[in-house]
Amino acid sequence: DGGITQSPKYLFRKEGQNVTLSCEQNLNHDAMYWYRQDPGQGLRLIYYSQIVNDFQKGDIAEGYSVSREKKESFPLTVTSAQKNPTAFYLCASSIFGYTGELFFGEGSRLTVL
Amino acid sequence: AQTVTQSQPEMSVQEAETVTLSCTYDTSESNYYLFWYKQPPSRQMILVIRQEAYKQQNATENRFSVNFQKAAKSFSLKISDSQLGDTAMYFCAFIAYSGAGSYQLTFGKGTKLSVIP
Repeated sequence: DGGITQSPKYLFRKEGQNVTLSCEQNLNHDAMYWYRQDPGQGLRLIYYSQIVNDFQKGDIAEGYSVSREKKESFPLTVTSAQKNPTAFYLCASSIFGYTGELFFGEGSRLTVL
Repeated sequence: AQTVTQSQPEMSVQEAETVTLSCTYDTSESNYYLFWYKQPPSRQMILVIRQEAYKQQNATENRFSVNFQKAAKSFSLKISDSQLGDTAMYFCAFIAYSGAGSYQLTFGKGTKLSVIP
């Protein structure tokens, strides 16, 4: 079945450590996105990528980094510079970044100890 | 900057009744798309309905329909014959092309809908 796979589903990190969240899609979509979801805050865009080897900052990119070396993969690294990293992270993809429906993964819950 | 406002943090409705969730947005763009997404307790986000701004006709998908008022920048979602499986967070979302290969994607903060048996 086609879809988006995020891993791990749950992750614990000590303060000062970097952590990478994986996002893989087999939908042959061009665009991929990372969102952060906090209670009462809705979804906030961290980074998005429309094509391989290109990505753009969203509204809350500080403390995060991404890469897009393959069409299928868009990993997100939460760095030690992110002051409040505990959150639920959602990865999404779409056929056309401007008009297309977003398809979401099941999310990754990151907790900083 | 684009903004999306959902003024109802929580709502409830009796099973089989009709409920309307409100959404307003602010933009200077003329071409854009609007969406309603549903996030059930499983947290898997799925698309409910989509509306192109250039279309005057309101979108419908089975029991879900929208009331799109472009001049008022309003995009409400009506759920008819509510079912227990409609219990979820509902997010209004807005996408507009802002030029130079970039586009703005903005979500509202969500409305938590509970369907009561």
